Amino acid sequence: DIQMTQSPSSVSASVGDRVTITCRASQGISSWLAWYQQKPGKAPKLLIYAASFLESGVPSRFSGSGSGTDFTLTISSLQPEDFATYYCQQANSFPITFGQGTRLEIK
Amino acid sequence: EVQLLQSGGGFVQPGGSLRLSCAASGFTFTTYAMTWVRQAPGKGLEWVSAITSSGGRTYYADSVKGRFTISRDNSKNTLYLQMNSLRAEDTAIYYCANRQNDWYFDLWGRGTLVTVSS
Repeated sequence: DIQMTQSPSSVSASVGDRVTITCRASQGISSWLAWYQQKPGKAPKLLIYAASFLESGVPSRFSGSGSGTDFTLTISSLQPEDFATYYCQQANSFPITFGQGTRLEIK
Repeated sequence: EVQLLQSGGGFVQPGGSLRLSCAASGFTFTTYAMTWVRQAPGKGLEWVSAITSSGGRTYYADSVKGRFTISRDNSKNTLYLQMNSLRAEDTAIYYCANRQNDWYFDLWGRGTLVTVSS
């Protein structure tokens, strides 16, 4: 199974800050990676797919990069609605696996 | 409206069974693979099972293999998850989800809570 490891597990930031979350796969997954945002009591929301493609309707302050084993999600200028938990997910092979999540909190 | 409407969650004792349903509307169900993802209380996301658009291929996480069965009825636009031999660690919110042509998930149900406890 492919293990997905996110860092940090939690981060505190302020509105307007730039934030980067990383995700590392235990083996190469090419660009088969997605990022999700989840708010309490809600289903996850797809932000980025294929490592760097912005899902329709997602603000352009979100961006993704990477390939192989190392990936990043960047939020260029945090907005109040961005405080949530973020997950990466590999879609390279079964079993599909998610990272453990990164909680983005208000400083 | 494009949506996945979930039902079938509830409270069950260890060793019991439960069947979850996920009714699709607003899109051509027969062309979409479908997936179940769960989230234990206060924990992260865990992929559970997936099924191809025709139902010809199914996939399972090791944690549920042999106990859970995913299926679909394309005539009813409905996805199912039959859960047998339930354990306390199966307690979670179960989401159905999909996306056409790949294994990312852009449409999610609202989730249904399954609680396994004596």
